[in-house]
Amino acid sequence: EAQVTQNPRYLITVTGKKLTVTCSQNMNHEYMSWYRQDPGLGLRQIYYSMNVEVTDKGDVPEGYKVSRKEKRNFPLILESPSPNQTSLYFCASSFPSGGPGELFFGEGSRLTVL
Amino acid sequence: QKEVEQDPGPLSVPEGAIVSLNCTYSNSAFQYFMWYRQYSRKGPELLMYTYSSGNKEDGRFTAQVDKSSKYISLFIRDSQPSDSATYLCAMSAYSGTYKYIFGTGTRLKVLA
Repeated sequence: EAQVTQNPRYLITVTGKKLTVTCSQNMNHEYMSWYRQDPGLGLRQIYYSMNVEVTDKGDVPEGYKVSRKEKRNFPLILESPSPNQTSLYFCASSFPSGGPGELFFGEGSRLTVL
Repeated sequence: QKEVEQDPGPLSVPEGAIVSLNCTYSNSAFQYFMWYRQYSRKGPELLMYTYSSGNKEDGRFTAQVDKSSKYISLFIRDSQPSDSATYLCAMSAYSGTYKYIFGTGTRLKVLA
């Protein structure tokens, strides 16, 4: 089954404790992206990757890091989480072909930073 | 001003009603227009995908794009309780890469 898998789905952590949210897709998609979803603000892009070893900042990259060492994986790293990073996070992938392509989303990771 | 504006709702309608969901945008470079549906505690999933102006129909769903007015719509005919979800409009233009800009979403509830 074609899917984007995120882990963990739910996480409560404390300020300053490094964490990683993993994302894996099995569709051989070149494009992968991370979004955060907040009430009244919608989906905002954090980072994206056009292909392996190619990453770039989205609209709200501060406080986040990413890496793309393999095509299928695109982990999101919070080096020193702060309460304003409490949010619902989505990983997504697509195969741009003459257009942006359909974005396939994971089920989301709800993060609470105390 | 946000690049994409969408009324957050909530919108409550009786089963069988025709639903109209809308977004306005300010960037005339947008060429690709999408509607995503998001059920509670789930990721968004693509519902409709259109390129440039015009209409596209898929079953009970019709997407309309009016580029001259910078306005897109999603119509749902014969709405069902299973259509209860948040509907997100999204738009994209090419500028070295394709960037998706999402509306904030409209929460729809279809009452049985």
